[in-house]
Amino acid sequence: KNQVEQSPQSLIILEGKNCTLQCNYTVSPFSNLRWYKQDTGRGPVSLTIMTFSENTKSNGRYTATLDADTKQSSLHITASQLSDSASYICVVLTGGGNKLTFGTGTQLKVEL
Amino acid sequence: GAVVSQHPSWVICKSGTSVKIECRSLDFQATTMFWYRQFPKQSLMLMATSNEGSKATYEQGVEKDKFLINHASLTLSTLTVTSAHPEDSSFYICSARDAGGEGYTFGSGTRLTVV
Repeated sequence: KNQVEQSPQSLIILEGKNCTLQCNYTVSPFSNLRWYKQDTGRGPVSLTIMTFSENTKSNGRYTATLDADTKQSSLHITASQLSDSASYICVVLTGGGNKLTFGTGTQLKVEL
Repeated sequence: GAVVSQHPSWVICKSGTSVKIECRSLDFQATTMFWYRQFPKQSLMLMATSNEGSKATYEQGVEKDKFLINHASLTLSTLTVTSAHPEDSSFYICSARDAGGEGYTFGSGTRLTVV
């Protein structure tokens, strides 16, 4: 069964600090892995998309890594801001069927 | 970048009435539209997939007669919740994919409350 697991479930950090969110997946066949940011009451917004051959990809203060061998990904946020408070969702696209498998998300709260 | 406009952003309706949610792709042709449902603190759950001009494919457990999906054009898809009940209260999100692309652009979501 295709699954995407994320950790931690929730996280509270101080403004300006860095944090790393984890994603493990068991999805086959693998097409690509995406990280989305979802603000409360809004739709998800794409942060990064990584294919099998990509190990790291950055988008501003967001840096995603992918280890296709261990089927793990991480999202690193540097110099966090209050506006980073949101749910971060790891999503894996399966090849062929083009189906998205969603993780349950990590709820991040950035405090002063 | 690709933009998907979803309306309304929130709606309150009486039990037994129907509600229509619209999703429009503003700067690309969405050959495939996906409709999701999300409960508080849970992940998105796929309800149905629709290709332009074809009948929607519903996920197991989703009542097709209750959640009517129309995708008559390449830029517009609608989800109608018929005879709504309080248990239908949820956050509904659409996603559009263009032909040949792997981009999945999400709408901003609709908060439905049935009273």
